Amino acid sequence: QVQLVESGGDVVQPGGSLRLSCAASGFIFSHYGMYWVRQAPGKGLQWVAFIRFDGDYEFYTDSVKGRFTISRDSSKDTLYLQMNSLRGEDSAVYYCAKQAGNFYYMDVWGKGTTVTV
Amino acid sequence: QTVVTQEPSFSVSPGGTVTLTCGLSSGSVSSTYYPSWHQQTPGQALRTLIYNTNARSSGVPDRFSGSILGNKAALTITGAQADDESDYYCVLYMGGGIWVFGGGTKLTVV
Repeated sequence: QVQLVESGGDVVQPGGSLRLSCAASGFIFSHYGMYWVRQAPGKGLQWVAFIRFDGDYEFYTDSVKGRFTISRDSSKDTLYLQMNSLRGEDSAVYYCAKQAGNFYYMDVWGKGTTVTV
Repeated sequence: QTVVTQEPSFSVSPGGTVTLTCGLSSGSVSSTYYPSWHQQTPGQALRTLIYNTNARSSGVPDRFSGSILGNKAALTITGAQADDESDYYCVLYMGGGIWVFGGGTKLTVV
């Protein structure tokens, strides 16, 4: 059974840093691209970042470029999001999601972890 | 900046049919944007319903269908049930490793 479990969410001061983790199981982690998607309180979903299956390519939404870094450790089947210079508008539930093979969509989602700035 | 548009809210009667749409602030949505649809119900994990415009994810009832209608992607629910009451999000792949979500549609079944 494919499962994604996020952790690391916390309350942090503006300007602070936080690292989120997403533990993956039930599939060959190193074969799939991964996403971070967030949802501010009372708002819709926002794509944040994507990392290719091999970790060689990373992409970010404009508002987090230069502040957030997505990474992965295939030896631990874990996805990360390093968040620096945090702002109030970064407060959200952060979800990780798995890419569906070589297709351009998310097919499995975690339940999220909450970041409050 | 590209904005993906969705109806903020929609209402459907039990057993009725509803079509939610996903458009672009500038231009038309086509299959080359690989539209997908995701359901968010409080207390549950996000669920992918439709991908690549009209392909149903495993386990998704066939009352959910996707299409391109005019210049928009569309999600149609035929024979709506009470537990279809959720928020529905479309997301488009813009190319270059960039995805954009629509603002979501809150569906009420009454």
